[in-house]
Amino acid sequence: DSGVTQTPKHLITATGQRVTLRCSPRSGDLSVYWYQQSLDQGLQFLIQYYNGEERAKGNILERFSAQQFPDLHSELNLSSLELGDSALYFCASSLPGGDTEAFFGQGTRLTVV
Amino acid sequence: AQSVAQPEDQVNVAEGNPLTVKCTYSVSGNPYLFWYVQYPNRGLQFLLKYITGDNLVKGSYGFEAEFNKSQTSFHLKKPSALVSDSALYFCAVRDMIKAAGNKLTFGGGTRVLVKP
Repeated sequence: DSGVTQTPKHLITATGQRVTLRCSPRSGDLSVYWYQQSLDQGLQFLIQYYNGEERAKGNILERFSAQQFPDLHSELNLSSLELGDSALYFCASSLPGGDTEAFFGQGTRLTVV
Repeated sequence: AQSVAQPEDQVNVAEGNPLTVKCTYSVSGNPYLFWYVQYPNRGLQFLLKYITGDNLVKGSYGFEAEFNKSQTSFHLKKPSALVSDSALYFCAVRDMIKAAGNKLTFGGGTRVLVKP
């Protein structure tokens, strides 16, 4: 168990809908990262938050947004969903510092039908 | 921009034989390098990292990796593979320039199949 909790584990929704994925980082970790894993794109970095502030942005679509709350949990919002958004979405957290490893949650498998 | 290449989609090895998973990287600054393993329907598990110092890094489950700056490589190795090592392995790099944040950039992954 990595200590990073993601809910829900599975999500099935229709095209055009909006969903929210939730992540609770390990105790003490200030950084939260979101990644998307799909068969054709591999592991793609979406966005990073550090102590409530956006730190880095990757290949995140405009239809997607995220935030990190004062209690450090994070939410990834996906809207106007398309079939191609079906993927495994991972949250990871780490301590401050570039030499620290990130710990990953078990992911949320999103299926858009 | 930082990037990672894992040139082999799959590596097949017999149980008891040495296992090597290749990784090369490209960064603009000094690299921090990581290996992760993913079992089916699970998240990524951290195996080991290279930050600085000794080029040979030892990690979890008997794995080790060798950092080679001149070849910009960070190959993962295990002297004697087990069937339970069958999984998807990812190499990742963190570019230590401020603009990159602390994000990890991952390679495409290498599937390891260890046959009894």
